[in-house]
Amino acid sequence: GAVVSQHPSRVICKSGTSVKIECRSLDFQATTMFWYRQFPKQSLMLMATSNEGSKATYEQGVEKDKFLINHASLTLSTLTVTSAHPEDSSFYICSGADRSNTGELFFGEGSRLTVL
Amino acid sequence: AQSVTQLGSHVSVSEGALVLLRCNYSSSVPPYLFWYVQYPNQGLQLLLKYTTGATLVKGINGFEAEFKKSETSFHLTKPSAHMSDAAEYFCAVTNSGGYNKLIFGAGTRLAVHP
Repeated sequence: GAVVSQHPSRVICKSGTSVKIECRSLDFQATTMFWYRQFPKQSLMLMATSNEGSKATYEQGVEKDKFLINHASLTLSTLTVTSAHPEDSSFYICSGADRSNTGELFFGEGSRLTVL
Repeated sequence: AQSVTQLGSHVSVSEGALVLLRCNYSSSVPPYLFWYVQYPNQGLQLLLKYTTGATLVKGINGFEAEFKKSETSFHLTKPSAHMSDAAEYFCAVTNSGGYNKLIFGAGTRLAVHP
């Protein structure tokens, strides 16, 4: 299947700093990418949907100024957690939709963010 | 709006026993349905999916699921559990066609004991 690479897999930062997480589709073009957040022992909650070259669409309750999403190319989307606080600590997972494969998403390995 | 309900947050079976993980969905349009598996600190791996056609779908690692429209269900089964099947399993639904967001169930943690 198609591969989505997410980096970094783990990041620890101090409160107040910003962290960028990258999500790359390695062998397909991802017109659309989705960012999910997962709290410990819970399900994945969709944060936002990003389409290449346009602004991301955020789910209700997700602060767009805190979670900046950029989808500048068909193979790269980034999530920047700005002014991170301990409550932002979570597991973040991206997924890309393969334009040639209707309906299936391919997931990155996830990034565990810990804010001290 | 679409939603997914997974009955049982924890399921425990003996090695070699039948695995049954339950999933019910709600959708106003024909759904695409998925089962994913997640191992600790990892992303999601697709087990199987239903889009159209045959309602009994077979996936990897011996898993299968049956789409029952009348029951709005998509339960996941495996005839004989293996220790390596211990993981978190998520059922998900999306609109048919296009590249739509997946809505996930709460997940079921499967434990397999000797």
